[in-house]
Amino acid sequence: GAGVSQSPSNKVTEKGKDVELRCDPISGHTALYWYRQRLGQGLEFLIYFQGNSAPDKSGLPSDRFSAERTGESVSTLTIQRTQQEDSAVYLCASSPAPGLAGAQHTDTQYFGPGTRLTVL
Amino acid sequence: AQKITQTQPGMFVQEKEAVTLDCTYDTSDQSYGLFWYKQPSSGEMIFLIYQGSYDEQNATEGRYSLNFQKARKSANLVISASQLGDSAMYFCAMREGPFVDMRFGAGTRLTVKP
Repeated sequence: GAGVSQSPSNKVTEKGKDVELRCDPISGHTALYWYRQRLGQGLEFLIYFQGNSAPDKSGLPSDRFSAERTGESVSTLTIQRTQQEDSAVYLCASSPAPGLAGAQHTDTQYFGPGTRLTVL
Repeated sequence: AQKITQTQPGMFVQEKEAVTLDCTYDTSDQSYGLFWYKQPSSGEMIFLIYQGSYDEQNATEGRYSLNFQKARKSANLVISASQLGDSAMYFCAMREGPFVDMRFGAGTRLTVKP
């Protein structure tokens, strides 16, 4: 079956421009996650969706970052007025419906190939 | 505070030998999950193995096993019979239930020598 897909795979933009990054999760996965990975570093959690709702947006680095999800499927991460420090690989992951309260940690996240964003 | 610590930025291992990648974590929760992911140079994140905090036995998946020492808060990944294709970055991660965001360590770059 199809895995998580992301588009574009690469995006080069000029400082100050807005960009949209897209994620298509695995069909049927209700949870969707966005991470940022700077060069040579680990993953930085940005935001999580359960269905179309994002219960916690505190991981977003600034108010220039926003994300939405529709139809419990596709998600878009938007970065407005991009800065050079936004250059990174943006990874999306999805997981099946979480289990009972307290057992949600069992859900394995399956990652997409990422979008490499370069801000000049 | 750092939740996940991977103290080995880089590791080398001879092909066919076993290697242990270290991971320690910090949590006050009783219920949590520990994960290992592999990231080859292509950039994709590949799930390897999962250990639940209540699991009494160490998790195993093929050549991967997780040496879970709860009292020491360590979750080391053991790769047996290393292969050249195992060369990659390896990330340890933790999720504390019932919260859903996963915290990743800084990673260990493993290089398998022929």
